[in-house]
Amino acid sequence: KAGVTQTPRYLIKTRGQQVTLSCSPISGHRSVSWYQQTPGQGLQFLFEYFSETQRNKGNFPGRFSGRQFSNSRSEMNVSTLELGDSALYLCASSPPGLEGVALHFGNGTRLTVT
Amino acid sequence: QKEVEQNSGPLSVPEGAIASLNCTYSDRGSQSFFWYRQYSGKSPELIMFIYSNGDKEDGRFTAQLNKASQYVSLLIRDSQPSDSATYLCAVNCISNFGNEKLTFGTGTRLTIIP
Repeated sequence: KAGVTQTPRYLIKTRGQQVTLSCSPISGHRSVSWYQQTPGQGLQFLFEYFSETQRNKGNFPGRFSGRQFSNSRSEMNVSTLELGDSALYLCASSPPGLEGVALHFGNGTRLTVT
Repeated sequence: QKEVEQNSGPLSVPEGAIASLNCTYSDRGSQSFFWYRQYSGKSPELIMFIYSNGDKEDGRFTAQLNKASQYVSLLIRDSQPSDSATYLCAVNCISNFGNEKLTFGTGTRLTIIP
C-alpha cells in the first residue's frame, strides 16, 4: 500500500507570498491532518479534515487554511507568508476508527520563507 | 503549563539495557496515549498506543499509564543502536469541535551507546 505522499518536498518563498501544499493520503484513509514542526515548538496541530469537512482546528491564524477533496486528497494554503512560517509541514492520514490520532505521516514539505 | 511535557534529553542508555521514557499530561479526561518515534531527518512513525484501561506490551516495547499521577511511560527492553531516535509522546483530548485531537510533547532524544 502506498504511503502518504506530500508535494512538493521543498519550497522557498518570499515574505508576503502565498503557498499551497498538497497531500495524498493512504488509500482508504478519509481523515487527513496537518502539522507544523519546528525545532523550538515541536509538532503543532494545524487542522484535520474528514470527508471534506474540517473536523478539528489548532491555534493558528487565519492565514493558514486547508481543504479536502472528494477523493480525500488535501491541500493546505498559507497566505501572506512570514519569516516565522519557515518550518516542516507534515500531513498525516488516519485509518477508520482512529481518525486524527493514529497518524501515518508523509515525508513533509520543507518551507523556507526569506 | 504545557499540556504534554517530556524531558528533552538526551537520554543515553547502554546497548542491551532498558530505556525508560516518560511524559506527563495535564488533561485528566484523556483516554488514549500514543508514542511516536522520529529518526533524524525523517517523519514520525507510530510505534504503539494504549487506552486508559491498561498497559500494553509489543515485542521489546511496553507502554504504561499511571492515571493518578498523569504520566505515561515507554520502556524499551534490550535497547539496540537502531532505537536511537527522538520519541514523541502524544495524548488525545477533546477539541472545541467535540472531536478527538492529539497534543504532542516536544520529544525525548534517546541515544543507545554500543
